[in-house]
Amino acid sequence: QSALTQPASVSGSPGQSITVSCTGSSSDVGGYNYVSWYQHHPGKAPKLMIYDVSNRPSGVSNRFSGSKSGNTASLTISGLQAEDEADYYCSSYASTDIVLFGGGTKLTVL
Amino acid sequence: EVQLLESGGGLVQPGGSLRLSCSASEFTFSNYAMTWVRQAPGKGLEWVAVISGSGATTYYADSAKGRFTISRDNSKNTLYLQMNNLKAEDTAVYYCAQGKRSAYLNWFDPWGQGTLVTVSS
Repeated sequence: QSALTQPASVSGSPGQSITVSCTGSSSDVGGYNYVSWYQHHPGKAPKLMIYDVSNRPSGVSNRFSGSKSGNTASLTISGLQAEDEADYYCSSYASTDIVLFGGGTKLTVL
Repeated sequence: EVQLLESGGGLVQPGGSLRLSCSASEFTFSNYAMTWVRQAPGKGLEWVAVISGSGATTYYADSAKGRFTISRDNSKNTLYLQMNNLKAEDTAVYYCAQGKRSAYLNWFDPWGQGTLVTVSS
């Protein structure tokens, strides 16, 4: 199975909101509520930001939210802050008993 | 606070083998699935393999099947990844991460800092 599809980059100004999409198929994103999102600052450990489509782990800011419609999941970051600048990856369980990641989206805070 | 520390990375020739380790602390290791995820230079994250808390169940990405073996020693709180017949395309930073108690192929948190594997002659 192919990786999930994410835009290569998104950008926004401080205080604005941005949305990162993650498109798969009915065999992964669309078929299960097992979509998660990770924030990755280069050189550091990736960090779980959203799990099971829309749940936030303890300690993650409520500026981060997740949703899903059909085969596409989305991560929205509101009230952009400079420290949000990072790479973001979606992942999903897939029916062939594997985990798929998206190609990653580089968020630039202007 | 959960701590995960990878080790064992390095330079290896094509066709060679390497065993990565991930030492875990500050949680009941045997209760949780563990996974390996890698990131090739300039590329995105790629899931490699996952193992259940008991070690009885494993799943692999197609790129790892037949060449990589994930295992764990719960008495030592350590996760392993045995990598054989390494190829240049296996060059990557390898991360270990904690999974869930069940539904192993889901989210992973937290992650270690990673260990670099370079396959080159």
